[in-house]
Amino acid sequence: GAGVSQSPSNKVTEKGKDVELRCDPISGHTALYWYRQSLGQGLEFLIYFQGNSAPDKSGLPSDRFSAERTGGSVSTLTIQRTQQEDSAVYLCASTYRSGRAGDTQYFGPGTRLTVL
Amino acid sequence: GESVGLHLPTLSVQEGDNSIINCAYSNSASDYFIWYKQESGKGPQFIIDIRSNMDKRQGQRVTVLLNKTVKHLSLQIAATQPGDSAVYFCAEREKDNNNDMRFGAGTRLTVKP
Repeated sequence: GAGVSQSPSNKVTEKGKDVELRCDPISGHTALYWYRQSLGQGLEFLIYFQGNSAPDKSGLPSDRFSAERTGGSVSTLTIQRTQQEDSAVYLCASTYRSGRAGDTQYFGPGTRLTVL
Repeated sequence: GESVGLHLPTLSVQEGDNSIINCAYSNSASDYFIWYKQESGKGPQFIIDIRSNMDKRQGQRVTVLLNKTVKHLSLQIAATQPGDSAVYFCAEREKDNNNDMRFGAGTRLTVKP
């Protein structure tokens, strides 16, 4: 597609429920990133995928968070047993290559998650 | 620990004036810097970047200045327009390490007509 797309754009869920957030990166981009953006805070790195390599999960805040990337393209971020502190905007970004300065991260519009 | 932050959380300017948004960083190993613009309900949009071997870079109506001595980054927007109203934040990383991009919280720019 023309840009990174994410769905849903908004998600309201009840505490304790599981949610899945989807990211479609730009076609041909090999690297994909998930970030969390809380109100008034900078982007918090969650997880990174590069090609077929094992993902860098170092930013995941707890074992309730997981992500996968199927076929090197679409990625799903899953949050199990959601808590109110999980409420945030979840952003996905992709780059053509990884780890090279100048490969700009292109961001999707984000999914706003609200946990009641 | 290392951090990236902004001096001012909000900035209000008159349409047509120039805007200057500042960012301080503390990681002396930072090699690459980016400014993003984020409009309400949208994802961050790349504006301009600069490598540490430069101290100035210009784009269309925007200029980024890098002062490595004091670890300071600024974004200058010339002839600010209503469409420039958004949150602007800087990001930095060490060389060739996109996994470790660090983002500031952002400054909200409001352009008054």
